[in-house]
Amino acid sequence: AQSVTQLGSHVSVSEGALVLLRCNYSSSVPPYLFWYVQYPNQGLQLLLKYTSAATLVKGINGFEAEFKKSETSFHLTKPSAHMSDAAEYFCAVSGPNQGGKLIFGQGTELSVKP
Amino acid sequence: GAVVSQHPSWVICKSGTSVKIECRSLDFQATTMFWYRQFPKQSLMLMATSNEGSKATYEQGVEKDKFLINHASLTLSTLTVTSAHPEDSSFYICSARANPVANYGYTFGSGTRLTVV
Repeated sequence: AQSVTQLGSHVSVSEGALVLLRCNYSSSVPPYLFWYVQYPNQGLQLLLKYTSAATLVKGINGFEAEFKKSETSFHLTKPSAHMSDAAEYFCAVSGPNQGGKLIFGQGTELSVKP
Repeated sequence: GAVVSQHPSWVICKSGTSVKIECRSLDFQATTMFWYRQFPKQSLMLMATSNEGSKATYEQGVEKDKFLINHASLTLSTLTVTSAHPEDSSFYICSARANPVANYGYTFGSGTRLTVV
C-alpha cells in the first residue's frame, strides 16, 4: 500500500530563512504526490502536485518541491519564509493502487519567527 | 479553478439529533467525492469514498449507519451524522476529484466544525 511519512511534526524558522519540509513516500508504482497547506479551521489548499512530468515542481506562494525517485522523497522548499507561511502542511500520495484515494502524511506545523 | 463549497462551516447540535453536511463542486463535475475527519492537531482520516449514483465505500472502522453518505449527482455529496454524540465532535472536510487526476487533482471544501453538546 502507498503511504507518506513527514519527518518532523513541527518546524520553526526565522522570517527570511529557508523552509524545508520533508516528505518520503512508499509506492510500488509511480505515484502522484501533493503538498497542501491548511490554516486554522479551514480546508486544504493545494500548493503543488507531481504527476510524472517535470521532477521539479513549482507551486504557489514561492514553494517548490523536487521528486527524487532514488530517495523516494518529495521535500517542500521555499527560499525565504514569510510570516504568512505559518500553517500546517500536509504531504499526500495517490495512485492507481489506492482506488483514487488521497493518503495523507501526519502533517508538519510550520512556525515563522520574526 | 476548481471550487468546492461545503456547508455549514460550523454547527452545534444536541446529542441524539442528526446533522447534514453538504459538499458541492461549483464549476466542475466531481466523479468521486471523499469525506475526511480531522481531530485537533492531527492529520486527515479518510472516512469514505463516494461515486455518483453508487453506494459509498467506507474505510475500516467507520460506521456506515452512523455516517450516511449520499452522492446523488455529479456536483453534490452529503454526509449525515445520525444520532450524534459528543465523541462525534470533530472537523469534517470533503474533497472532490475530477478525471483525470493529473490535470484536476483533488479540491477540498473549507470544512465543517461539528460540536455535539
